[in-house]
Amino acid sequence: GAVVSQHPSRVICKSGTSVKIECRSLDFQATTMFWYRQFPKKSLMLMATSNEGSKATYEQGVEKDKFLINHASLTLSTLTVTSAHPEDSSFYICSAAGTGQQYEQYFGPGTRLTVT
Amino acid sequence: QKEVEQDPGPLSVPEGAIVSLNCTYSNSAFQYFMWYRQYSRKGPELLMYTYSSGNKEDGRFTAQVDKSSKYISLFIRDSQPSDSATYLCAMSVGTGGFKTIFGAGTRLFVKA
Repeated sequence: GAVVSQHPSRVICKSGTSVKIECRSLDFQATTMFWYRQFPKKSLMLMATSNEGSKATYEQGVEKDKFLINHASLTLSTLTVTSAHPEDSSFYICSAAGTGQQYEQYFGPGTRLTVT
Repeated sequence: QKEVEQDPGPLSVPEGAIVSLNCTYSNSAFQYFMWYRQYSRKGPELLMYTYSSGNKEDGRFTAQVDKSSKYISLFIRDSQPSDSATYLCAMSVGTGGFKTIFGAGTRLFVKA
């Protein structure tokens, strides 16, 4: 299957700072990338969908000014959590889908964010 | 009513057992049905996907879709301790920007 990497795997930051998470599709061109948040023992909560070269589409209730998403190329998308607060602590997972295969998503390994 | 319902478990079975995991859904427009496996603190891994109704088999895994009942299943034969994970069902109306809806996931424990 396709490989998606995510970096960093774990990050601890202080309240008020910003954190950038990278998501890369290593062996295919990802037309669409998705960013999810997952709480313990809960399912994936879609935060936003990004298409290469376009502005991301955010789900209802997700602050686009707080969670900045950039999808500058067909292999890279970034999520920046701005002015992080302890309630932003969570497991963030990206996924990628190729052209015409948006129902078939390949997930990254996730990033554990802890805001102190 | 949630669009996709999945029993969170946990489900505990002995090694070698046949495991049945299920989801129900309410949106009759769903056409693509997926099963993901997620190990603790890892991202989900796509196991199988099925288009429309029918069965699909891959090794020890069989996915079934019954659109008339809005019910999908994943069967695991000869279950192994390494199958212990959370299994998420997911479904989508189609391509072209349609959102994939995930179930809450069922935690499976296979005891040696």
